[in-house]
Amino acid sequence: AAGVIQSPRHLIKEKRETATLKCYPIPRHDTVYWYQQGPGQDPQFLISFYEKMQSDKGSIPDRFSAQQFSDYHSELNMSSLELGDSALYFCASSRGGAGEKLFFGSGTQLSVL
Amino acid sequence: AQSVAQPEDQVNVAEGNPLTVKCTYSVSGNPYLFWYVQYPNRGLQFLLKYITGDNLVKGSYGFEAEFNKSQTSFHLKKPSALVSDSALYFCAVRVVEDNYGQNFVFGPGTRLSVLP
Repeated sequence: AAGVIQSPRHLIKEKRETATLKCYPIPRHDTVYWYQQGPGQDPQFLISFYEKMQSDKGSIPDRFSAQQFSDYHSELNMSSLELGDSALYFCASSRGGAGEKLFFGSGTQLSVL
Repeated sequence: AQSVAQPEDQVNVAEGNPLTVKCTYSVSGNPYLFWYVQYPNRGLQFLLKYITGDNLVKGSYGFEAEFNKSQTSFHLKKPSALVSDSALYFCAVRVVEDNYGQNFVFGPGTRLSVLP
């Protein structure tokens, strides 16, 4: 069965650069969530989208933005990268809005040097 | 490869009764084990984790979980359920030795319904 696809798997950037992470939800899933997990930390909720509209916002820095496109894939744009942005970024998807079961991608490991 | 199983899609319990949400895992190294909860219209919230030490871990909202190495289980428990505990619960495992990629694996989730 198709799963949540995240790309790239690994990304290396330098300080002050920009990065774009992509998430492709399971077909027919209309909700996408983004999570950030720093080294030795627990996953922190960043932001979510339902039907291409932002549905919830967590601890997402102002330097980050995200959107959900017409085909329901989502992109997390990160600018002015800082060393502290190095983390594993998870995407999850669900169908029918918040409260449904989440299916998670395998994550994008971002390293900021 | 790491995997997490939550054998029950749905758990129903009456308010005031004890509850258990089951989780088993399969890893190749030493696991860190977690429970997360998702309330309606919210992202995942951390409940508790097992790193090492006492097999019984206490967490937020009166929840606790027992690590059983021989059974590779990490069941979530609460002595007396509240209606407000109704939510989706996710078990997760993280393997310390895996520094890249899929080092944090979630189970499929269990929907807990506490009936008044």
